Amino acid sequence: DAGITQSPRHKVTETGTPVTLRCHQTENHRYMYWYRQDPGHGLRLIHYSYGVKDTDKGEVSDGYSVSRSKTEDFLLTLESATSSQTSVYFCAISEGGYQPQHFGDGTRLSIL
Amino acid sequence: GNSVTQMEGPVTLSEEAFLTINCTYTATGYPSLFWYVQYPGEGLQLLLKATKADDKGSNKGFEATYRKETTSFHLEKGSVQVSDSAVYFCALRNPSSRGGADGLTFGKGTHLIIQP
Repeated sequence: DAGITQSPRHKVTETGTPVTLRCHQTENHRYMYWYRQDPGHGLRLIHYSYGVKDTDKGEVSDGYSVSRSKTEDFLLTLESATSSQTSVYFCAISEGGYQPQHFGDGTRLSIL
Repeated sequence: GNSVTQMEGPVTLSEEAFLTINCTYTATGYPSLFWYVQYPGEGLQLLLKATKADDKGSNKGFEATYRKETTSFHLEKGSVQVSDSAVYFCALRNPSSRGGADGLTFGKGTHLIIQP
């Protein structure tokens, strides 16, 4: 299995509070991604990173920000969580080119 | 833009039956195609991939052939087992100037149930 650790694995919080999810990799891959998984939608890309301090928006980036200060860590922040952000969040990593993405085990986030 | 369409299911089969899960895509250029599998409570695992037309990806008895003329990448297995019960996702990646930074575009997933 690819060395990807997501934390926390589960979180329940209230509307309006800030939330930060962490993705940590031990593979030294350049590319990292955040997705959310919702019933009827499959997985959708939120943000991605192509290097330290290099990030860009994905399909559903509104309400989310990211940071990558080290190769191994990619943080996803919900500045003021809303109930529509209740979801399962997956981090993925890739070497780039034609190499596939490898996924972490996910974080289940519930916003009440 | 890019899109992937697959049957959502659930698809219910008996053990040892033949499996086909259809996947068609829309994309410009020459995308790479993937099948991922998700077991309950887990992340997605890469099942197989194909990077160019007519490539056949295979793994664990599953196969899929990249058909550019029909824009399809159907997943097949000759004899399914109860342990194959899971959700299967078809996905594509379109290369860009950033050399692989693009995210994957996923289908909505197909829930497969194999009964003994």
